[in-house]
Amino acid sequence: GAVVSQHPSWVICKSGTSVKIECRSLDFQATTMFWYRQFPKQSLMLMATSNEGSKATYEQGVEKDKFLINHASLTLSTLTVTSAHPEDSSFYICSARRTVTVAYEQYFGPGTRLTVT
Amino acid sequence: TQLLEQSPQFLSIQEGENLTVYCNSSSVFSSLQWYRQEPGEGPVLLVTVVTGGEVKKLKRLTFQFGDARKDSSLHITAAQPGDTGLYLCAGAWPGNTGKLIFGQGTTLQVKP
Repeated sequence: GAVVSQHPSWVICKSGTSVKIECRSLDFQATTMFWYRQFPKQSLMLMATSNEGSKATYEQGVEKDKFLINHASLTLSTLTVTSAHPEDSSFYICSARRTVTVAYEQYFGPGTRLTVT
Repeated sequence: TQLLEQSPQFLSIQEGENLTVYCNSSSVFSSLQWYRQEPGEGPVLLVTVVTGGEVKKLKRLTFQFGDARKDSSLHITAAQPGDTGLYLCAGAWPGNTGKLIFGQGTTLQVKP
């Protein structure tokens, strides 16, 4: 199998506070994890690529100081939304890629619904 | 910038009908994946195609990879209400560090 979990599945926070989302690969090692954002009825938008033991690579337009990513082990990556504002409300999804892969397949977590009030 | 054009973006059909979703690019893929996503959940991998001309079947779903590895299609035979969801194609290109580029998605609604 290739199971990826996310925690929490949903979170409501007040404007100005920070929220941490965890992404874990449960039955495989993932050198690389990815963080996406998805708006209603739209496709996935890649925010950043997270490599174990190194700094994340952010996509153009994504504020690295606002969306802090840490990939401390081969099974865990975290996304921290700092000083959250209502416009940060969204569905955040992580994915993980096996350490050894031929076809660049990614396995996705169930997503985290963030609502900032 | 690599682009992946997916069409149609919306499809509403009756149970029992057939449908095809297309994914096209001007670039050559290393591989292409098809995912299905239900509301409030993460995408689930359906299939990966790697070889030009490859055809894979998953029950009533047939996936084709173009000979030139620039396009792919998903065909569903005798659609059922349980097929309702968002279908996403995603391609990986040589040298792009393994990132996936996603198509716009196809929202499929199958009415009973």
